[in-house]
Amino acid sequence: GQQVMQIPQYQHVQEGEDFTTYCNSSTTLSNIQWYKQRPGGHPVFLIQLVKSGEVKKQKRLTFQFGEAKKNSSLHITATQTTDVGTYFCAGPGAPRLKYIFGTGTRLKVLA
Amino acid sequence: NAGVTQTPKFQVLKTGQSMTLQCAQDMNHEYMSWYRQDPGMGLRLIHYSVGAGITDQGEVPNGYNVSRSTTEDFPLRLLSAAPSQTSVYFCASSNSVGTGMSAYGYTFGSGTRLTVV
Repeated sequence: GQQVMQIPQYQHVQEGEDFTTYCNSSTTLSNIQWYKQRPGGHPVFLIQLVKSGEVKKQKRLTFQFGEAKKNSSLHITATQTTDVGTYFCAGPGAPRLKYIFGTGTRLKVLA
Repeated sequence: NAGVTQTPKFQVLKTGQSMTLQCAQDMNHEYMSWYRQDPGMGLRLIHYSVGAGITDQGEVPNGYNVSRSTTEDFPLRLLSAAPSQTSVYFCASSNSVGTGMSAYGYTFGSGTRLTVV
């Protein structure tokens, strides 16, 4: 079946450093979504990418969808302690309404 | 709006017991799903529904049943609880996830922490 993998699994950064997490799907995705989950909380939707090569920005967060629509990345510039949490990518499986989440990347920011 | 409401927030079961996790949404969303979250495993899809009366299996459906008699409610039933079902369970809803039509993604409930002893 479809698999969505994320790397790295964990990342510790000093506050102010940049951070990137990568998402790779075993199949081509029609769209991909990103979510953030704070410690002890529930996932919260961040953004959706639909087009090949699409790049979207939200303040210090930059999201990119690969040209082949099988991979995506989330880059955070100058991390802050408020960025702490687990970041998930997610995409439609087969059938497409079977939405599959990646394994997640847990980010810890050291002040 | 309350969004997605899950009850209970915490539950301890003995092996072999059955129970139902409740999920209700007040956003008139068609799509609802149940996920379980285990350390290092991400969110795994248990069952999902594309509308009232329509349900289908996800990645890890064994040991769970669902029904969707109304748009608002999507309960998850554990038939005979096992220690392997100890997890955090999330219910989520969306108006068009998977189709690329919605800019809003899934709205998640606050979760149910289940321990099976």
